[in-house]
Amino acid sequence: GEDVEQSLFLSVREGDSSVINCTYTDSSSTYLYWYKQEPGAGLQLLTYIFSNMDMKQDQRLTVLLNKKDKHLSLRIADTQTGDSAIYFCAERNSSASKIIFGSGTRLSIRP
Amino acid sequence: NAGVTQTPKFQVLKTGQSMTLQCAQDMNHEYMSWYRQDPGMGLRLIHYSVGAGITDQGEVPNGYNVSRSTTEDFPLRLLSAAPSQTSVYFCASSRPGGQGTQYFGPGTRLLVL
Repeated sequence: GEDVEQSLFLSVREGDSSVINCTYTDSSSTYLYWYKQEPGAGLQLLTYIFSNMDMKQDQRLTVLLNKKDKHLSLRIADTQTGDSAIYFCAERNSSASKIIFGSGTRLSIRP
Repeated sequence: NAGVTQTPKFQVLKTGQSMTLQCAQDMNHEYMSWYRQDPGMGLRLIHYSVGAGITDQGEVPNGYNVSRSTTEDFPLRLLSAAPSQTSVYFCASSRPGGQGTQYFGPGTRLLVL
């Protein structure tokens, strides 16, 4: 079945780049997403990438997709304290009826 | 638009009690889903619906029922609550086409004693 995996924690220094990685199993995924969850809140879409793209850039965010290895990454440039959150990778299945989420990566920023 | 709303925000139940978590959206989205979030396990899909009158099971459906009588509402029922159902529950909605962005409600924290 579909599965999405992420590491649970990442700690970076303020001002450095953060790279959050994700692997997925469904080779027929159409869209892949990064969601952000701040403490006590629901999830908000950060960015998404269509499966026929390799890269997408949106201001400080860069998404890289390696479809052959089924690997997705999110790079946050110049990481700030406001970027502290849990980041979820997710894929949309081929029938487009449901989205499968990873376990989330908790990003913490140190001064 | 209010987006996706959930009630209650917080609930304490005793083992064996029943309750319904409410979810409503005013964006005319066809797709709606329920997830539970547990530490270290991310979001797990409980049930989902692709339109009024149509529901299907997700990864962890046991102990939960859903119905979808209208496009706007997608209630989640716990028939006999168990401590293992202590969790944070999120409802989400999306359109079937396009990039399928899911819009999430603020969540319901449920504690089962």
